[in-house]
Amino acid sequence: QSVLTQPPSVSGAPGQRVTISCTGSSSNIGAGYDVHWYRQLPGTAPQLLIYINNIRPSGVPDRFSGSKSGTSASLAISGLQAEDVADYYCQSYDSTLSGSVFGGGTRLTVL
Amino acid sequence: EVQLVEFGGDLVQPGGSLRLSCVASGFSFSSYSMNWIRQAPGKGLEWISYISTTSTTIYYADSVRGRFTISRDNAQNSLYLQMNSLRAEDTAVYYCARDRKSSGWYFDQWGQGNLVTVSS
Repeated sequence: QSVLTQPPSVSGAPGQRVTISCTGSSSNIGAGYDVHWYRQLPGTAPQLLIYINNIRPSGVPDRFSGSKSGTSASLAISGLQAEDVADYYCQSYDSTLSGSVFGGGTRLTVL
Repeated sequence: EVQLVEFGGDLVQPGGSLRLSCVASGFSFSSYSMNWIRQAPGKGLEWISYISTTSTTIYYADSVRGRFTISRDNAQNSLYLQMNSLRAEDTAVYYCARDRKSSGWYFDQWGQGNLVTVSS
């Protein structure tokens, strides 16, 4: 059971927009800690996709955006492409656990 | 180019020990705190340990505290994870990751991962 809750899977057709939610609690996201997102392509290491809630690293297209409100955060992917097929993870800090916590991951399928 | 390369993964029996290494290049290793993160087969990511630049601050996840020890050698640009009393549930790909500070921290560079299998 992950500290941050994500839907196990989402899907969309090419060109569509999908969102992935990440729900936490008052000891992590709700306490004001930043949320970060990672993409893991099959068989590879995770890569940073969004940091500090809504900042894209260099090289990440603006089709990817992040937001945070209250005890939750969301990753939005617009203009879906076949290459977006991957597992997506949210991550934050938890003051009760005194460490980083991840969501369980969401598998994106492009129909 | 920033590179993190892990070594030391192997098949080990329950109750055994193993030491993982992570060698860094392409950045000033001594200026960054580092972490170990693992991923069990078919499962999600689990952060397990953090070490500050000078090793003065160390954190562990409850799942490994008392069994695993993180350390670093800045002169050798290396990060280590000593794993003792290994259990079947420790079977995972282990990643070393560089972190950057925010409120908490995030992981901007990851190694390729190293598989540890605990089985008799």
